[in-house]
Amino acid sequence: NAGVTQTPKFQVLKTGQSMTLQCAQDMNHEYMSWYRQDPGMGLRLIHYSVGAGITDQGEVPNGYNVSRSTTEDFPLRLLSAAPSQTSVYFCASARTWSTEAFFGQGTRLTVV
Amino acid sequence: GQQVMQIPQYQHVQEGEDFTTYCNSSTTLSNIQWYKQRPGGHPVFLIQLVKSGEVKKQKRLTFQFGEAKKNSSLHITATQTTDVGTYFCAGNGGATNKLIFGTGTLLAVQP
Repeated sequence: NAGVTQTPKFQVLKTGQSMTLQCAQDMNHEYMSWYRQDPGMGLRLIHYSVGAGITDQGEVPNGYNVSRSTTEDFPLRLLSAAPSQTSVYFCASARTWSTEAFFGQGTRLTVV
Repeated sequence: GQQVMQIPQYQHVQEGEDFTTYCNSSTTLSNIQWYKQRPGGHPVFLIQLVKSGEVKKQKRLTFQFGEAKKNSSLHITATQTTDVGTYFCAGNGGATNKLIFGTGTLLAVQP
């Protein structure tokens, strides 16, 4: 049982490049979300989804896009990477918005 | 928007000492969750509290949810080196279905 799988684990981008962080879960969870973690700032919600076809903005959505075409997958797109987007990104899934969240292993992104 | 703050940001204790972290929300929460993140790892769910004034225990860990459902605390009795990590509270507030995390408390335990 894989749980929540994130790829890649590490990535270095140049300013202005775009990329997609992948997230997949095999628990048939309706709720999926993306967080970024920066020192001293905890986990900040970027975007979330309550089910296939439904997405919404979190606390820090600017510079990021998401889509939810299937229950299993919730990719995060960086449109034009900036050094301020250097962070550790976590994807999480949960049965509902108010139940236990399961996190992926994280993606450490550096933008130079 | 909803904000969740935790204090302290960092705590260093000697093994065997007690530890407490406090979580305060700007809005009333429907529930509060607690997570632990080991260094270099990902957050792992510990517990969820739903009722006003609720207290739950897990071995040496005691979790409380405030009467007004705007604050919570995690208390660890007689810390061990295995308790090292960052402890986060997280909650859903108001009419939102967003799970907002607190700023976290990093616990260091010296043997």
